[in-house]
Formats: sequence, C-alpha cells, structure tokens
Amino acid sequence: EDQVTQSPEALRLQEGESSSLNCSYTVSGLRGLFWYRQDPGKGPEFLFTLYSAGEEKEKERLKATLTKKESFLHITAPKPEDSATYLCAVYAGGTSYGKLTFGQGTILTVHP
Amino acid sequence: GAVVSQHPSWVICKSGTSVKIECRSLDFQATTMFWYRQFPKQSLMLMATSNEGSKATYEQGVEKDKFLINHASLTLSTLTVTSAHPEDSSFYICSASILAGLLGGATQYFGPGTRLLVL
Repeated sequence: EDQVTQSPEALRLQEGESSSLNCSYTVSGLRGLFWYRQDPGKGPEFLFTLYSAGEEKEKERLKATLTKKESFLHITAPKPEDSATYLCAVYAGGTSYGKLTFGQGTILTVHP
Repeated sequence: GAVVSQHPSWVICKSGTSVKIECRSLDFQATTMFWYRQFPKQSLMLMATSNEGSKATYEQGVEKDKFLINHASLTLSTLTVTSAHPEDSSFYICSASILAGLLGGATQYFGPGTRLLVL
C-alpha cells in the first residue's frame, strides 16, 4: 500500500528564517510526486510536480527536490504570506487512474 | 491556466433535502475528476473518481447511493448529496486531472471547495 508521511506536523518560523519540509514516501513505481499549498477554507493550490530522483523545481521562495525515498520543500527567507498547510502527494500510475495518496500535511506559520 | 471552479461555494440546507455541487474545469478538458471531503484540521479524503461518460468509482466506505456523481462532459462533474443529514456537513473539494497515459504524470487541479452545512 502506498504511504506518504510528512514532517514536521507543524512548523513555526520567523520571517526570513529558511527551513525545509519533508515528505517521505513508500510507493511501488512512482509516477509523480506533487506539492500543494492549502490556505484555510480553500482548495489546494498546485505548486510542483516531480517525476524522477534528482529533479528540482523552483518557484519564488520555494524549491522542491526529490530522491528515491523522500522529497523536500525548501523555503528560503519566508514571509508571513507563506503561512499555509503544505500537502505532499504521490501517484503510482498503473490502474489507479490518477488517484493520489496524500500525506497529512505540514502547517507552516511564519511570524513577522 | 488549469482553473477549476465549484458552485456553490457554500450551502446551508435542512436535513432530508438533497444538495448538488458542480465542478467545472474552465480552461482544459479533464480526463478524470475527483471528489474529496475534508474535515477540520485533517487531510483530504478521496470519496470517488469519475471519468467522463462512465460510472464513478467510489472509495471503500463511501455510500454511492448517498453521494451521486455524474460526469456528463469533459468539463463538468456534479456531486449530489441525497437526503443530507447533519453528519454530512463538511468541506467538499473537487479536482480535475489530465492523465498523460497510464505511465504518465497526473497533476490534479483543485476547485475552491464547497462548505456544506446541514441543519
């Protein structure tokens, strides 16, 4: 069974204090790893898709990396507006027809 | 690009009534649409997967007669909560995906969600 574990559950940072969120996964035949941002009361917002180990993607203050067992979401010099829940999900392909397995999320709070 | 809308954004109804939620992909044709439910401070719980023109596939424990899903076109899916009860109150979110074949990626783009309150 595919499993996704995110850590930490919650992270509090001061504005400008860089850090990383972790997503560990167990899946047979990874076809894609996804990062989303979710604000309270809203649907998840797509951030990145990573397909193979060694791949990296960046968007503003965020950088996502992927290894064979985990992914990191690095946040450089965060701002209060980066506060949100960050969700990681994996897609195993095959007959799962696009079904994603989600982690429980990391709640990020950035204090000014 | 890849915008998904949901309507309504929130709804309040009386116990026993039915509620329909629409999910539309506005600027792309979705191979597959998904319906999720989310409880406070919890992650997304997949309810069902639907492909255009075929019956939805429900996750274990989800009552298909209670949560009716219709996927009439490549841009529209609807979720109807039949005979709603207070325990059905929740945040319902849809997503739309373009499958790049069975071996390809499958990025899901999410709608803004619908808050349902059953009194």
